[in-house]
Amino acid sequence: DQQVKQNSPSLSVQEGRISILNCDYTNSMFDYFLWYKKYPAEGPTFLISISSIKDKNEDGRFTVFLNKSAKHLSLHIVPSQPGDSAVYFCAASRVASGGSYIPTFGRGTSLIVHP
Amino acid sequence: AAGVIQSPRHLIKEKRETATLKCYPIPRHDTVYWYQQGPGQDPQFLISFYEKMQSDKGSIPDRFSAQQFSDYHSELNMSSLELGDSALYFCASSYRGRSGNTIYFGEGSWLTVV
Repeated sequence: DQQVKQNSPSLSVQEGRISILNCDYTNSMFDYFLWYKKYPAEGPTFLISISSIKDKNEDGRFTVFLNKSAKHLSLHIVPSQPGDSAVYFCAASRVASGGSYIPTFGRGTSLIVHP
Repeated sequence: AAGVIQSPRHLIKEKRETATLKCYPIPRHDTVYWYQQGPGQDPQFLISFYEKMQSDKGSIPDRFSAQQFSDYHSELNMSSLELGDSALYFCASSYRGRSGNTIYFGEGSWLTVV
């Protein structure tokens, strides 16, 4: 049972436009959310995160929005650049019994930004 | 800045053999995680260690074991390898002291079982 869902396996956007990647989660115990970017044969690179006490966090071209009531978060990239082309993973985490924050990942969305 | 270092990057083993993956966390990080990502799948949490003690367990098979050493590096030992163990294995680390606990991943180790 997928607790974190990225329903769009791929997204194609023109350079300079906005990219919006969506993510839904089912477990209301999640209280920290992260976005990672991944290139083939490389490890996920942390992009941006948001705590459940906030509804927006911005870092340069990247903004994450959190809608707790809808259990939905989104990543906005504006303006999109060809170098942003990668797979983007949404992750939701909570403190596990042993005290570690354990992120649960979605299946990823492949973003292609066309020049 | 120093990142999470994993070795080897690629490993080919035969069925029923044993494999060991190594991970060196970011300096001063106190928590290490192991994840497994099969082809076309999301990364699945296997196990974590905090201050050299096992902290949490995920979907780690009984054939696998892991430990964290006094220098904070960690090793994932996989025995009686099966074809289905072929995957990308990620190690990640974090510093628990910071609220929210962002975890940082290594480049991954590709294991192919033939």
